[in-house]
Amino acid sequence: AQTVTQSQPEMSVQEAETVTLSCTYDTSESDYYLFWYKQPPSRQMILVIRQEAYKQQNATENRFSVNFQKAAKSFSLKISDSQLGDAAMYFCAYRSANSGNTPLVFGKGTRLSVIA
Amino acid sequence: GAVVSQHPSRVICKSGTSVKIECRSLDFQATTMFWYRQFPKKSLMLMATSNEGSKATYEQGVEKDKFLINHASLTLSTLTVTSAHPEDSSFYICSARVVLGEAGGNIQYFGAGTRLSVL
Repeated sequence: AQTVTQSQPEMSVQEAETVTLSCTYDTSESDYYLFWYKQPPSRQMILVIRQEAYKQQNATENRFSVNFQKAAKSFSLKISDSQLGDAAMYFCAYRSANSGNTPLVFGKGTRLSVIA
Repeated sequence: GAVVSQHPSRVICKSGTSVKIECRSLDFQATTMFWYRQFPKKSLMLMATSNEGSKATYEQGVEKDKFLINHASLTLSTLTVTSAHPEDSSFYICSARVVLGEAGGNIQYFGAGTRLSVL
């Protein structure tokens, strides 16, 4: 079974600075997808960024980018120019590409605080 | 992104009563929906996978008679907590999967969640 590990329960960053959230995963599959979801205090889960394992190029979405290291099974999220609205719980998630019904496997999350 | 509507956002009920939570995909058809439970400051715990027109697949340890899931259409799945007890108090989140066209793969979008409090 696949597992996702987020080793940082809490992180903090100064406004306008850059922060990196770490995520590692364990799988024997070669084809899969990786995601970062954000859960603000409203508790609405919001998709931040998505990466296909077969793509070598790291995904980017505005101020959010990932460092995907397939061999190391690492998928970190970098948030640049941090804003107060970035404060939230961030979950890393894995999904197998082998079956349409496979659910997301979530890490335990990292709580990010942004300091003004 | 796609919109998933979950209703109600909050419900308070007496012990022994049943509560129904609805999850709708508003602008897409979802052949697969998922139900999660989240405890305070914890990650999401998958309860069941719901496929349109068939019985839901429950995760180990989740009582299917307690948590009834119905996925009667491509845009609606419901979770009914039967004979609710205080230990069922939790935050329940639904998620719908949308297939990406030629890009391949799919993405899960989430409802805003339902906070259930059982007195």
